[in-house]
Amino acid sequence: AQKVTQAQTEISVVEKEDVTLDCVYETRDTTYYLFWYKQPPSGELVFLIRRNSFDEQNEISGRYSWNFQKSTSSFNFTITASQVVDSAVYFCALSEDSNYQLIWGAGTKLIIKP
Amino acid sequence: GAGVSQSPRYKVAKRGQDVALRCDPISGHVSLFWYQQALGQGPEFLTYFQNEAQLDKSGLPSDRFFAERPEGSVSTLKIQRTQQEDSAVYLCASSLEVNVGRNQPQHFGDGTRLSIL
Repeated sequence: AQKVTQAQTEISVVEKEDVTLDCVYETRDTTYYLFWYKQPPSGELVFLIRRNSFDEQNEISGRYSWNFQKSTSSFNFTITASQVVDSAVYFCALSEDSNYQLIWGAGTKLIIKP
Repeated sequence: GAGVSQSPRYKVAKRGQDVALRCDPISGHVSLFWYQQALGQGPEFLTYFQNEAQLDKSGLPSDRFFAERPEGSVSTLKIQRTQQEDSAVYLCASSLEVNVGRNQPQHFGDGTRLSIL
Protein backbone atom coordinates (compact mmCIF):
# COMPACT_ATOMS: atom_id res chain seq x y z
CA ALA A 1 0.00 0.00 0.00
CA GLN A 2 1.14 3.52 -0.67
CA LYS A 3 1.52 5.99 2.16
CA VAL A 4 3.24 9.27 2.96
CA THR A 5 4.19 10.16 6.52
CA GLN A 6 5.10 13.61 7.74
CA ALA A 7 5.76 12.99 11.40
CA GLN A 8 6.31 16.64 12.29
CA THR A 9 2.93 18.25 12.82
CA GLU A 10 4.33 21.69 13.59
CA ILE A 11 7.79 23.25 13.66
CA SER A 12 8.61 26.67 15.04
CA VAL A 13 11.99 28.33 14.53
CA VAL A 14 13.43 31.79 14.68
CA GLU A 15 14.16 33.59 11.45
CA LYS A 16 17.52 32.76 9.84
CA GLU A 17 17.66 29.31 11.36
CA ASP A 18 17.86 26.27 9.09
CA VAL A 19 14.97 23.84 9.25
CA THR A 20 14.39 20.37 7.82
CA LEU A 21 10.97 18.92 7.11
CA ASP A 22 10.82 15.14 7.05
CA CYS A 23 8.92 12.96 4.60
CA VAL A 24 8.86 9.17 4.59
CA TYR A 25 6.97 7.24 1.95
CA GLU A 26 5.85 3.70 1.24
CA THR A 27 5.25 2.20 -2.18
CA ARG A 28 5.61 -1.13 -3.97
CA ASP A 29 6.19 0.47 -7.35
CA THR A 30 9.72 0.80 -8.67
CA THR A 31 8.73 3.88 -10.65
CA TYR A 32 7.18 6.69 -8.67
CA TYR A 33 7.27 10.43 -8.22
CA LEU A 34 7.65 12.56 -5.14
CA PHE A 35 6.46 16.12 -4.73
CA TRP A 36 6.61 18.94 -2.24
CA TYR A 37 3.94 21.63 -2.11
CA LYS A 38 3.69 24.78 -0.01
CA GLN A 39 0.36 26.05 1.27
CA PRO A 40 0.57 29.59 2.68
CA PRO A 41 -2.28 31.07 4.74
CA SER A 42 -3.91 32.28 1.52
CA GLY A 43 -4.72 28.64 0.77
CA GLU A 44 -3.23 28.03 -2.65
CA LEU A 45 -1.06 24.95 -2.98
CA VAL A 46 2.20 25.96 -4.62
CA PHE A 47 4.25 23.34 -6.42
CA LEU A 48 7.89 23.27 -5.27
CA ILE A 49 9.54 20.18 -6.70
CA ARG A 50 8.92 16.88 -8.51
CA ARG A 51 11.43 14.05 -8.31
CA ASN A 52 11.24 10.64 -9.98
CA SER A 53 12.42 7.47 -8.32
CA PHE A 54 15.38 7.00 -10.64
CA ASP A 55 16.94 10.32 -9.83
CA GLU A 56 18.49 10.34 -6.38
CA GLN A 57 20.58 13.39 -7.00
CA ASN A 58 19.94 16.02 -4.38
CA GLU A 59 18.61 19.32 -5.62
CA ILE A 60 19.18 22.86 -4.48
CA SER A 61 17.10 25.84 -5.46
CA GLY A 62 18.14 29.01 -3.71
CA ARG A 63 17.51 28.51 0.01
CA TYR A 64 15.63 25.28 -0.63
CA SER A 65 17.22 21.86 -0.89
CA TRP A 66 15.88 18.34 -1.10
CA ASN A 67 17.53 15.10 0.04
CA PHE A 68 16.11 11.98 -1.63
CA GLN A 69 17.29 8.67 -0.14
CA LYS A 70 15.70 5.51 -1.50
CA SER A 71 17.48 3.39 1.11
CA THR A 72 15.42 5.01 3.84
CA SER A 73 12.41 5.91 1.68
CA SER A 74 12.78 9.53 2.60
CA PHE A 75 12.50 12.79 0.71
CA ASN A 76 13.40 15.53 3.18
CA PHE A 77 13.18 19.24 2.54
CA THR A 78 15.56 21.79 4.07
CA ILE A 79 15.18 25.55 4.16
CA THR A 80 18.36 27.40 4.99
CA ALA A 81 18.37 30.87 6.52
CA SER A 82 14.60 30.74 6.99
CA GLN A 83 12.46 33.82 6.52
CA VAL A 84 9.08 34.82 7.88
CA VAL A 85 7.61 34.42 4.39
CA ASP A 86 8.46 30.72 4.55
CA SER A 87 5.72 30.27 7.15
CA ALA A 88 3.20 27.87 5.65
CA VAL A 89 2.02 24.29 5.70
CA TYR A 90 4.26 22.05 3.62
CA PHE A 91 2.95 18.85 2.06
CA CYS A 92 4.88 15.92 0.72
CA ALA A 93 3.09 13.75 -1.85
CA LEU A 94 3.65 10.52 -3.76
CA SER A 95 2.42 9.46 -7.19
CA GLU A 96 2.97 5.95 -8.44
CA ASP A 97 3.66 5.33 -12.11
CA SER A 98 0.67 3.02 -12.23
CA ASN A 99 -1.66 5.65 -10.83
CA TYR A 100 -1.95 9.38 -11.50
CA GLN A 101 -3.44 10.06 -8.07
CA LEU A 102 -1.41 11.97 -5.52
CA ILE A 103 -1.06 10.41 -2.08
CA TRP A 104 -0.59 13.23 0.42
CA GLY A 105 1.09 13.44 3.76
CA ALA A 106 -0.72 15.21 6.58
CA GLY A 107 1.45 18.28 6.21
CA THR A 108 3.89 20.09 8.48
CA LYS A 109 3.02 23.55 9.70
CA LEU A 110 6.15 25.69 9.68
CA ILE A 111 6.20 28.85 11.78
CA ILE A 112 9.09 31.25 11.31
CA LYS A 113 9.27 33.83 14.07
CA PRO A 114 10.90 37.21 13.42
CA GLY B 1 -4.53 34.85 -15.86
CA ALA B 2 -1.92 32.15 -16.21
CA GLY B 3 -2.92 30.08 -13.20
CA VAL B 4 -5.86 27.92 -12.20
CA SER B 5 -8.83 30.09 -11.35
CA GLN B 6 -11.59 29.04 -8.97
CA SER B 7 -14.81 30.78 -8.07
CA PRO B 8 -16.33 31.73 -5.81
CA ARG B 9 -13.53 32.16 -3.31
CA TYR B 10 -15.97 31.74 -0.43
CA LYS B 11 -19.43 30.22 -0.39
CA VAL B 12 -21.88 30.06 2.49
CA ALA B 13 -25.01 27.99 2.05
CA LYS B 14 -27.77 26.68 4.23
CA ARG B 15 -28.07 22.95 4.77
CA GLY B 16 -30.09 21.42 1.99
CA GLN B 17 -29.20 23.98 -0.67
CA ASP B 18 -27.41 23.10 -3.87
CA VAL B 19 -24.05 24.71 -4.66
CA ALA B 20 -21.88 24.91 -7.78
CA LEU B 21 -18.14 25.51 -7.72
CA ARG B 22 -16.26 26.55 -10.82
CA CYS B 23 -12.72 25.79 -11.98
CA ASP B 24 -10.95 27.33 -14.95
CA PRO B 25 -7.72 25.37 -15.54
CA ILE B 26 -4.47 26.53 -17.05
CA SER B 27 -4.83 26.85 -20.81
CA GLY B 28 -3.62 23.71 -22.57
CA HIS B 29 -3.81 21.51 -19.50
CA VAL B 30 -5.68 18.36 -20.39
CA SER B 31 -5.94 16.85 -16.93
CA LEU B 32 -8.14 18.33 -14.23
CA PHE B 33 -8.55 17.19 -10.64
CA TRP B 34 -10.90 18.09 -7.81
CA TYR B 35 -9.88 17.68 -4.16
CA GLN B 36 -11.57 18.24 -0.83
CA GLN B 37 -9.44 19.57 2.00
CA ALA B 38 -10.68 19.56 5.58
CA LEU B 39 -9.13 21.90 8.10
CA GLY B 40 -5.67 20.77 9.17
CA GLN B 41 -5.51 17.91 6.71
CA GLY B 42 -4.07 17.17 3.32
CA PRO B 43 -6.21 17.21 0.18
CA GLU B 44 -8.43 14.22 -0.51
CA PHE B 45 -8.97 13.19 -4.13
CA LEU B 46 -12.50 13.54 -5.47
CA THR B 47 -12.45 13.12 -9.23
CA TYR B 48 -10.29 13.34 -12.35
CA PHE B 49 -10.95 14.45 -15.92
CA GLN B 50 -8.91 14.00 -19.02
CA ASN B 51 -10.35 16.53 -21.46
CA GLU B 52 -14.12 16.14 -21.14
CA ALA B 53 -13.95 12.52 -20.00
CA GLN B 54 -14.39 11.83 -16.31
CA LEU B 55 -11.99 8.93 -15.92
CA ASP B 56 -12.18 8.54 -12.16
CA LYS B 57 -14.85 9.62 -9.72
CA SER B 58 -13.98 7.14 -7.00
CA GLY B 59 -13.34 9.87 -4.45
CA LEU B 60 -16.75 11.50 -4.62
CA PRO B 61 -18.20 10.91 -1.14
CA SER B 62 -21.81 10.43 -2.18
CA ASP B 63 -24.19 10.67 -5.10
CA ARG B 64 -24.91 14.23 -4.00
CA PHE B 65 -21.59 15.18 -5.56
CA PHE B 66 -21.41 15.63 -9.30
CA ALA B 67 -18.69 17.04 -11.54
CA GLU B 68 -18.60 17.87 -15.20
CA ARG B 69 -16.27 19.32 -17.79
CA PRO B 70 -18.42 19.39 -20.93
CA GLU B 71 -16.00 21.11 -23.29
CA GLY B 72 -12.76 19.86 -21.82
CA SER B 73 -11.87 23.17 -20.25
CA VAL B 74 -13.91 24.73 -17.43
CA SER B 75 -15.19 22.30 -14.83
CA THR B 76 -18.00 22.55 -12.33
CA LEU B 77 -18.34 20.64 -9.09
CA LYS B 78 -21.93 20.51 -7.91
CA ILE B 79 -23.10 19.45 -4.49
CA GLN B 80 -26.79 18.80 -4.05
CA ARG B 81 -28.70 18.94 -0.77
CA THR B 82 -25.63 20.11 1.10
CA GLN B 83 -24.86 18.79 4.56
CA GLN B 84 -22.70 20.29 7.30
CA GLU B 85 -20.02 17.66 6.72
CA ASP B 86 -19.57 19.08 3.23
CA SER B 87 -17.93 22.15 4.76
CA ALA B 88 -14.35 22.19 3.51
CA VAL B 89 -12.05 23.82 1.01
CA TYR B 90 -12.52 22.47 -2.50
CA LEU B 91 -9.39 22.60 -4.58
CA CYS B 92 -9.06 22.28 -8.31
CA ALA B 93 -5.80 21.38 -10.03
CA SER B 94 -4.72 20.96 -13.62
CA SER B 95 -1.70 19.42 -15.27
CA LEU B 96 -0.26 18.56 -18.66
CA GLU B 97 -1.46 15.34 -20.25
CA VAL B 98 -0.73 12.43 -17.97
CA ASN B 99 0.56 10.16 -20.69
CA VAL B 100 3.25 12.58 -21.81
CA GLY B 101 6.05 12.95 -19.30
CA ARG B 102 4.15 11.00 -16.75
CA ASN B 103 2.86 12.37 -13.49
CA GLN B 104 3.43 15.98 -14.31
CA PRO B 105 3.01 18.42 -11.42
CA GLN B 106 -0.49 19.48 -10.60
CA HIS B 107 -1.03 23.21 -10.36
CA PHE B 108 -3.67 24.33 -7.93
CA GLY B 109 -6.13 27.16 -7.70
CA ASP B 110 -6.81 29.14 -4.53
CA GLY B 111 -9.74 26.91 -3.67
CA THR B 112 -13.33 27.57 -2.69
CA ARG B 113 -14.01 27.64 1.03
CA LEU B 114 -17.49 26.18 1.49
CA SER B 115 -19.35 26.63 4.74
CA ILE B 116 -22.68 24.91 5.30
CA LEU B 117 -24.79 26.39 8.07
